[in-house]
Amino acid sequence: AQKVTQAQTEISVVEKEDVTLDCVYETRDTTYYLFWYKQPPSGELVFLIRRNSFDEQNEISGRYSWNFQKSTSSFNFTITASQVVDSAVYFCALSEANTNAGKSTFGDGTTLTVKP
Amino acid sequence: DTEVTQTPKHLVMGMTNKKSLKCEQHMGHRAMYWYKQKAKKPPELMFVYSYEKLSINESVPSRFSPECPNSSLLNLHLHALQPEDSALYLCASSPYIRLNTGELFFGEGSRLTVL
Repeated sequence: AQKVTQAQTEISVVEKEDVTLDCVYETRDTTYYLFWYKQPPSGELVFLIRRNSFDEQNEISGRYSWNFQKSTSSFNFTITASQVVDSAVYFCALSEANTNAGKSTFGDGTTLTVKP
Repeated sequence: DTEVTQTPKHLVMGMTNKKSLKCEQHMGHRAMYWYKQKAKKPPELMFVYSYEKLSINESVPSRFSPECPNSSLLNLHLHALQPEDSALYLCASSPYIRLNTGELFFGEGSRLTVL
């Protein structure tokens, strides 16, 4: 069965600090997809990144970077020089290509608060 | 601004009312989803439509009735709801017809309160 664990329930940082959100997943499928979504107070989940299981290359997008390591089943998300606008709930999600068709499993989310 | 539009943003209804939530997208996506999200919890999948046909029903009670009139619209009809059905209802679409493989584009949600 697929499972996503976001061990950090809440994180609070001061603006300009770097912060890493952890995501650990479990799956028996060899082909799977990992996602990060941001949910600001407005409610809408905003897609941030998609990674498939065959692409372990790390990715950087502006202040955001992602570290995918199959050896530790982790897909961690780092925000560099955090800003108040980064305050949100962040969800990591997993989808298996060959099983549980159509169902993404979300972690419980990490609430990030960035203080000015 | 999101390209998935949900109406109404807020809805208060009694347990005997009949109401509908509406979702619209014009990105040409052929997969559309309904999720339910309780406070401080992750979204829970309810229904998935692929090419306007119901592909997945996550054992949702029949008091929730989805409808996909065309490729751009998705409705969720509500009848005889219970207070525990109060939640944020999120609509999403995806450009990936092979379900599971692609990212989801969410609307801002409809916040439902059942009295």
